[in-house]
Amino acid sequence: AQSVTQLGSHVSVSEGALVLLRCNYSSSVPPYLFWYVQYPNQGLQLLLKYTSAATLVKGINGFEAEFKKSETSFHLTKPSAHMSDAAEYFCAVRTGANSKLTFGKGITLSVRP
Amino acid sequence: NAGVTQTPKFQVLKTGQSMTLQCAQDMNHEYMSWYRQDPGMGLRLIHYSVGAGITDQGEVPNGYNVSRSTTEDFPLRLLSAAPSQTSVYFCASSPGQNTGELFFGEGSRLTVL
Repeated sequence: AQSVTQLGSHVSVSEGALVLLRCNYSSSVPPYLFWYVQYPNQGLQLLLKYTSAATLVKGINGFEAEFKKSETSFHLTKPSAHMSDAAEYFCAVRTGANSKLTFGKGITLSVRP
Repeated sequence: NAGVTQTPKFQVLKTGQSMTLQCAQDMNHEYMSWYRQDPGMGLRLIHYSVGAGITDQGEVPNGYNVSRSTTEDFPLRLLSAAPSQTSVYFCASSPGQNTGELFFGEGSRLTVL
């Protein structure tokens, strides 16, 4: 079985501060890992994905995530938060191209001026 | 480039009514799926399909039916709507032969009174 855990439901940072959103996964086989972002009243957009190539993955809008097998983690970071980053962020795991994509419960990111 | 198209975007039903949420994709994707999104619950998989004529249950299939008669379309049927089915529903697809990124529709907001 596969699963992801996103601890906490809300993170608040100041504009310009580091963004760190945590994700831990559980999978019995090598996983594909994803971060999606959802802006208010919109669908989900892919931020970045890990597909067993480089462990440090760069995505859109300055986000990146590092796959750490020893820690079963795939935390999302951005060096400097922008007001436009305020959204809900979902970590997800998939164990094959035709397998189910399982989401975490999501984290809401707020950015203070 | 339409991608994944969901209709309707909004719907209000009375308890016991039936309806169909439509999903169509124009990317020739083999894999299609339906999720529901509820506050604090993340996205939960309802049903999915790995190709025309093949469907399977996800995490929360009760009260929903699906069919996949063509590659392009994957409708979700609510047989007898209940207030517990008030949610935002997302359809998503992926090519099925690579690393498995999902492409999402914009969602359908359903309220059951």
